[in-house]
Amino acid sequence: DSGVTQTPKHLITATGQRVTLRCSPRSGDLSVYWYQQSLDQGLQFLIHYYNGEERAKGNILERFSAQQFPDLHSELNLSSLELGDSALYFCASSVAPATGELFFGEGSRLTVL
Amino acid sequence: GDSVTQMEGPVTLSEEAFLTINCTYTATGYPSLFWYVQYPGEGLQLLLKATKADDKGSNKGFEATYRKETTSFHLEKGSVQVSDSAVYFCALSDGSGGSNYKLTFGKGTLLTVNP
Repeated sequence: DSGVTQTPKHLITATGQRVTLRCSPRSGDLSVYWYQQSLDQGLQFLIHYYNGEERAKGNILERFSAQQFPDLHSELNLSSLELGDSALYFCASSVAPATGELFFGEGSRLTVL
Repeated sequence: GDSVTQMEGPVTLSEEAFLTINCTYTATGYPSLFWYVQYPGEGLQLLLKATKADDKGSNKGFEATYRKETTSFHLEKGSVQVSDSAVYFCALSDGSGGSNYKLTFGKGTLLTVNP
C-alpha cells in the first residue's frame, strides 16, 4: 500500500460526458502528479501541483483540468470525453523537496464507450 | 526535451535466467535515473535509482549503473523468479529538484518469467 488513494477504481461512461477523478496523497506529501497510461502512448505526464499551485504541465489536453485543494487532495476533470481518452489515470505524490521517489496510487481505469 | 527509450519487449524468460532490459536517455543537465516496477493490477513503485554518473542502484537482486558516456541505465538481474513478472519502466528526473520536480518515463517492458 503506497498510501495514495484514488477513486473511483473503474469508471465507464459515454462520449461527450464529463468525469472527475479524485486523489488523496500520502500524509504530508505536498506534491501531486497526474499521469495517463495507455497502450499506445505509454505513461504520459499530465500535470503537477505543489501545495495548491500548478507547477508543471505536460501533455494535458485543453478538455482536461486539475486542481489541488487546501487539504492537498487533487481532482482531475475530464470533459467532452472521446473514445481515445480511455486509459488508466494514475495519481502520484512525493515529498518536498523531491528525492525522486514518486508514490503511485492504484489508478482509475476510465472506459469511454 | 527529455526522453527515455527502453526495449519494448515483451520479454519472456525461464526461472533463474539472466535478465537485461536496455534503457537509454536524452536529457539536458544532470538527471537522476530510476527503474520503477508495476505488478499486475497495481500502481508503479520505485525499484532502484542512481543520482549521478557511475552510481549503481540496486534492490531485490536488480542492479543498474548510470553510464553518462553511453547515456544508458540498463537493468540487470542474475537469476529471475516467477514473482519478478511485471512491467518495468525506466525514468529520469528533470534534474531541477525542489517543488518543480517531475519524472519522464519510458514506455515500459513487460517481463514474463515462466517456471
